[in-house]
Amino acid sequence: GDSVTQMEGPVTLSEEAFLTINCTYTATGYPSLFWYVQYPGEGLQLLLKATKADDKGSNKGFEATYRKETTSFHLEKGSVQVSDSAVYFCALSPGSARQLTFGSGTQLTVLP
Amino acid sequence: EPEVTQTPSHQVTQMGQEVILRCVPISNHLYFYWYRQILGQKVEFLVSFYNNEISEKSEIFDDQFSVERPDGSNFTLKIRSTKLEDSAMYFCASSEVQQGTGELFFGEGSRLTVL
Repeated sequence: GDSVTQMEGPVTLSEEAFLTINCTYTATGYPSLFWYVQYPGEGLQLLLKATKADDKGSNKGFEATYRKETTSFHLEKGSVQVSDSAVYFCALSPGSARQLTFGSGTQLTVLP
Repeated sequence: EPEVTQTPSHQVTQMGQEVILRCVPISNHLYFYWYRQILGQKVEFLVSFYNNEISEKSEIFDDQFSVERPDGSNFTLKIRSTKLEDSAMYFCASSEVQQGTGELFFGEGSRLTVL
C-alpha cells in the first residue's frame, strides 16, 4: 500500500540555519504530495503542495520539489526563524483515492 | 479567517463508555473527515463523509465507530464502547473539494484518553 517515510525528529536548529526535512514515498500511479504544519495548540495547516513530477511547491520561504525518480519531496528553507518551530507532516494523496496518507511528523525547534 | 472547531479539546473516559467528539466544519465546505493520531505514531485516516453519507472508510473505522451530521453545522464522531487503544488525538477536517486535489482544513484536535 501507499506509505510516507519522514526524517525522524526532533530537529533542533539555531535561527537562520538551513533546514531540510526528508520525505520519501511509496505509491502507485501519480500521487499529489503535501507538507502540512502544526503549530503548538493549533490544527494541521497546509504549507505547500505539488501535484505532478518536477513541480515545486513553495510558501513562507519553504520549498519542496516533487522528484519522481527518487520518490522524494524534501522540505527546505534557507533561513529558519523561531516562529517556524512546529511539527511538519509530509503526506500524499493518490490521484483516484480520497484519503491522505501521512508520515509520522518531524518536530522542529528553532532556538534564538 | 474561517476555521474548523472541535470540542472537547480533551476528554478522559473509562473503558467501555461511549464518547462523542464534535466538530464544526467550515460553513461552505462539502467534504468532511476524521483522522486520528495515536501518540508517537502516524496520522491515520478514519472516514470521509459527503452528501450525508460515508464516502470512504479505513479498516480502523469498525462497527464501534459512527459519524453523523445531525444538523447543518455539526459533524460528530461516536465511539460506542471505548477501548484502551482508542486513546489518541482525533482530528476533524473539511474541504471544498475532494481531498486528493484540494486543501484540507483541520481542527486543533480532540485528545481522547481511555482509562
